[in-house]
Amino acid sequence: GNSVTQMEGPVTLSEEAFLTINCTYTATGYPSLFWYVQYPGEGLQLLLKATKADDKGSNKGFEATYRKETTSFHLEKGSVQVSDSAVYFCALSDGLTGANSKLTFGKGITLSVRP
Amino acid sequence: GAGVSQTPSNKVTEKGKYVELRCDPISGHTALYWYRQSLGQGPEFLIYFQGTGAADDSGLPNDRFFAVRPEGSVSTLKIQRTERGDSAVYLCASSLNEQDNEQFFGPGTRLTVL
Repeated sequence: GNSVTQMEGPVTLSEEAFLTINCTYTATGYPSLFWYVQYPGEGLQLLLKATKADDKGSNKGFEATYRKETTSFHLEKGSVQVSDSAVYFCALSDGLTGANSKLTFGKGITLSVRP
Repeated sequence: GAGVSQTPSNKVTEKGKYVELRCDPISGHTALYWYRQSLGQGPEFLIYFQGTGAADDSGLPNDRFFAVRPEGSVSTLKIQRTERGDSAVYLCASSLNEQDNEQFFGPGTRLTVL
């Protein structure tokens, strides 16, 4: 079955540091890949997505590239801010056309950014 | 516009009791999903509706769990004979249709079984 593996956390960085959060996946077919973010006290929000190999998703300064050869979708940001402190989830959905798009999530990683 | 809403936000119940959790999806969204998130884990899929029908209920852990969506909008997740292990945050999400892979999540219902 499908699975998503995220690097162990938590991660603590100073403001303006470079961020990388690793994510690898196992899936049949051609899944779509997502990063969701959960800010303190808020619900899950879609941060970015990529639907096919070599696509790059980007939003709010975050980027992730769909790498089929390494089955990875690592999240990066060049300069983090305190407001980026949140829990980040990597996820995938089945790539079967017309089928349901239920999401399979990783465990999530907590990012704390210090001023 | 209004997002996905869930009620109640918190529910405390005793072992063995019956609970109902409600989800109001974004208006016009035909696909609706239920997930369960235990502490320190990512959300886990429970069931998916396309319109009124359950298209995939493979994530329901056992027959104590049931969900309905009688008019293709609001959905209710029902848990019978609750157990302490059912304690979790139950999340609902909706998407425009089953081909649209962007899901919008509600704030969740935190269920605590004593």
